[in-house]
Amino acid sequence: EVRLVESGGGLVQPGGSLVLSCEVSGFTFSDYWMSWVRQAPGKGLEWLANIKQDGSEKYYVDSVKGRFTISRDNAKNSLYLQMNTLRAEDTAVYYCARDDNWGWGYWGQGTLVTVSS
Amino acid sequence: QSALTQPPSVSGSPGQSVTISCTGTSSDVGRYDHVSWFQQPPGTAPKLMIYEVSHRPSGVPDRFSGSKSGNAASLTISGLQAEDEGDYYCSSYTSRTSFVFGTGTTVTV
Repeated sequence: EVRLVESGGGLVQPGGSLVLSCEVSGFTFSDYWMSWVRQAPGKGLEWLANIKQDGSEKYYVDSVKGRFTISRDNAKNSLYLQMNTLRAEDTAVYYCARDDNWGWGYWGQGTLVTVSS
Repeated sequence: QSALTQPPSVSGSPGQSVTISCTGTSSDVGRYDHVSWFQQPPGTAPKLMIYEVSHRPSGVPDRFSGSKSGNAASLTISGLQAEDEGDYYCSSYTSRTSFVFGTGTTVTV
């Protein structure tokens, strides 16, 4: 069974940092591109970033470039999102997802990040 | 990158068909066949319903179908059922090596 489990969310002050993790199981992690997608409360989905199987290519949406960094550790079957200089508008549920056929066939349950003083 | 445009809501009776539109530009929907559709019931993660414009993942009922013409894609749900209620989002790859989602559509049965 394919599983993706995010962790690391929580309450952080504006300007602060947070690292999200996504541990996967049930498939060969190193065979797939992986993405982070977020959803602000009551709002739509926003793709944030993705990373190639070996970590050699990374792409970001403009709104997080320079503040967020996606990375992976294939030995640990884990995906990460380093988030710096957080703003109130970064408050959202953050999902990791497996890239399948230019879509995302498997998603985690999400982890909530709240940016507030 | 602006979100793709979807109608806020569509509704239909059980057994009817509904179609959700997803309008982009020549830099995303119009340029690539990398259009996907997702269903998201309240409080849950999205579920992939259609990929590459018209392909259904294993387990998705054939009541769901996708198409594309020019800068717009569409998702049609035929034989609407109560379990089809929820929010639906389209997505597309873009010329900026990124992805963009649609604004979302709430389907009511």
